[in-house]
Amino acid sequence: AQKVTQAQTEISVVEKEDVTLDCVYETRDTTYYLFWYKQPPSGELVFLIRRNSFDEQNEISGRYSWNFQKSTSSFNFTITASQVVDSAVYFCALLTGGGNKLTFGTGTQLKVEL
Amino acid sequence: GAVVSQHPSWVICKSGTSVKIECRSLDFQATTMFWYRQFPKQSLMLMATSNEGSKATYEQGVEKDKFLINHASLTLSTLTVTSAHPEDSSFYICSASVPSGNTIYFGEGSWLTVV
Repeated sequence: AQKVTQAQTEISVVEKEDVTLDCVYETRDTTYYLFWYKQPPSGELVFLIRRNSFDEQNEISGRYSWNFQKSTSSFNFTITASQVVDSAVYFCALLTGGGNKLTFGTGTQLKVEL
Repeated sequence: GAVVSQHPSWVICKSGTSVKIECRSLDFQATTMFWYRQFPKQSLMLMATSNEGSKATYEQGVEKDKFLINHASLTLSTLTVTSAHPEDSSFYICSASVPSGNTIYFGEGSWLTVV
């Protein structure tokens, strides 16, 4: 069975601080994909990144960076110099097998304050 | 821009009536779409897999007669909440996979309030 754990329910930071959102996953599949989505208060899910299981290179996109560690089954997300607009719920998700059914974590509410 | 569009964004209906929510893939064909439900401060729960030209596959515990799914074309799936009750009030969101890869995009979501 697939499982995604986001242990941090809520994180509060002050603007310009760096913040890391943790994601730990479980799967027996050797081929899988990991995703991060942002859900602002309006509700839509904004795609941030997809990473396949064979690519452990870390990725940086502007203030966002992702650290994929297969050895610890983790796919952590770091926001550098956080901004108020980063306030949202962030979901980590796992896609396995040949289908397109995502397994979501419970989400982390990030609050960035002035 | 959006690749999956959902309509309406929000709807209020009376208890006992039915409500239809549309999910469209823009500029690509989606043989499979997914419908999720999200209660406040909770994660997304998969309700069903919508298959073009065939019956939807429902997750355990989801009433197929209450949540009717129709995937009549390669770009449109609809979710109809029949005989809605206040406990059906929730955020409903659909997704589709872009054929070129395993990237999954979501619609804007629909807020349903049953009064």
